[in-house]
Amino acid sequence: EDQVTQSPEALRLQEGESSSLNCSYTVSGLRGLFWYRQDPGKGPEFLFTLYSAGEEKEKERLKATLTKKESFLHITAPKPEDSATYLCAALGRDYGGSQGNLIFGKGTKLSVKP
Amino acid sequence: DTEVTQTPKHLVMGMTNKKSLKCEQHMGHRAMYWYKQKAKKPPELMFVYSYEKLSINESVPSRFSPECPNSSLLNLHLHALQPEDSALYLCASSQIETGVASYEQYFGPGTRLTVT
Repeated sequence: EDQVTQSPEALRLQEGESSSLNCSYTVSGLRGLFWYRQDPGKGPEFLFTLYSAGEEKEKERLKATLTKKESFLHITAPKPEDSATYLCAALGRDYGGSQGNLIFGKGTKLSVKP
Repeated sequence: DTEVTQTPKHLVMGMTNKKSLKCEQHMGHRAMYWYKQKAKKPPELMFVYSYEKLSINESVPSRFSPECPNSSLLNLHLHALQPEDSALYLCASSQIETGVASYEQYFGPGTRLTVT
């Protein structure tokens, strides 16, 4: 069964304290690994798509990487405004017409204190 | 522009009411989705439309009825809901390309639904 697991469930950092969020996946025929940021009561905001092992993408203080088994979201020198829940999602094999069956992890709630 | 809009932002309805949620995108995306999200849980897929045709229905109760009038609009008609249907309802859209890597989904802000 396809599965996405995120760790830790919650992470508290001091402003400027760099860290990483983990997303482990077991997905047949991975077609894409996605990172989203979600603020309370709002829809997920798209951050990155990764397609193949070894791929890396960066945006401001965030950097996403992908291996054959997991993805990391590295946060460098975080600020309080980076506080949010970060969701990882995988898109598996196309079984015929199943364009959108994203498999979500449960998310990591990040809190950055000033 | 990667905006998906949803109306209303908040909705309170009784169990005998009929209401509709609306979603719109102007990115030219031909896949549109409805998700349900409960507090502290990830989004759960409900329906997928590809080229305005329903392609996935994740065993959703018939009190939820989706509709895709055109390539930019997606509706979710609600009837005889239960209190446990209270949740954040999210709409998303994406490009479609079969046989190659798929594309990211862009989410709307959601409709907070409360069933009393």
